[in-house]
Amino acid sequence: DIQMTQSPSSLSASVGDRVTITCRASQGISNYLAWYQQKPGKVPKLLIYAASTLQSGVPSRFSGSGSGTDFTLTISSLQPEDVATYYCQKYNSAPLSLTFGGGTKVEIK
Amino acid sequence: EVQLVESGGGLVQPGRSLRLSCAASGFTFDDYAMHWVRQAPGKGLEWVSGISWNSGSIGYADSVKGRFTISRDNAKNSLYLQMNSLRAEDTALYYCAKVSSVIAVAGQFDYWGQGTLVTVSS
Repeated sequence: DIQMTQSPSSLSASVGDRVTITCRASQGISNYLAWYQQKPGKVPKLLIYAASTLQSGVPSRFSGSGSGTDFTLTISSLQPEDVATYYCQKYNSAPLSLTFGGGTKVEIK
Repeated sequence: EVQLVESGGGLVQPGRSLRLSCAASGFTFDDYAMHWVRQAPGKGLEWVSGISWNSGSIGYADSVKGRFTISRDNAKNSLYLQMNSLRAEDTALYYCAKVSSVIAVAGQFDYWGQGTLVTVSS
């Protein structure tokens, strides 16, 4: 089974900082990768899919990149409302297995 | 408006069974694959199981394989998860989620329910 490893597990940054979260797959997954944001007590929200496509309605300060095994989620200018835990997820259909990364908790310094 | 409403959670003893349901509305249910995702208290997201639009393709996480069974009834716009031989480590909030792309069995989840809590304890 393909494993998804996120780093760091948590980070603290200042408002306006550029924040980068990394997700690594144990095998190549092409661009079958999504990123979700989960605020405390809330349901996960889709941010990015196909590694770099921004979901409708998501602020443009969020961006994704990567292909194969290494992926990144970038917040270009961290805002207070971005405090959340972020998860990557790979989705391949053969075999059907949609694994999440362990999550990255983002806080404001 | 897309709505996914889970039900069926509760307190259950180890070794017993529980059946979760997810009622869908606001979209053409039989065009989309559906999945279950769980989140143990204070922990991360864990994919549990998924089913294609026509039930022709089904998958399970290793942690539930052989104990959980996913199914759907397109006539009732409903998704189910039969959970047998429950263990303490199955305690979690269980979400149903809709795949974004028509027909694709795997893909990003664009809508999630609010979840139903399953607690396995004696």
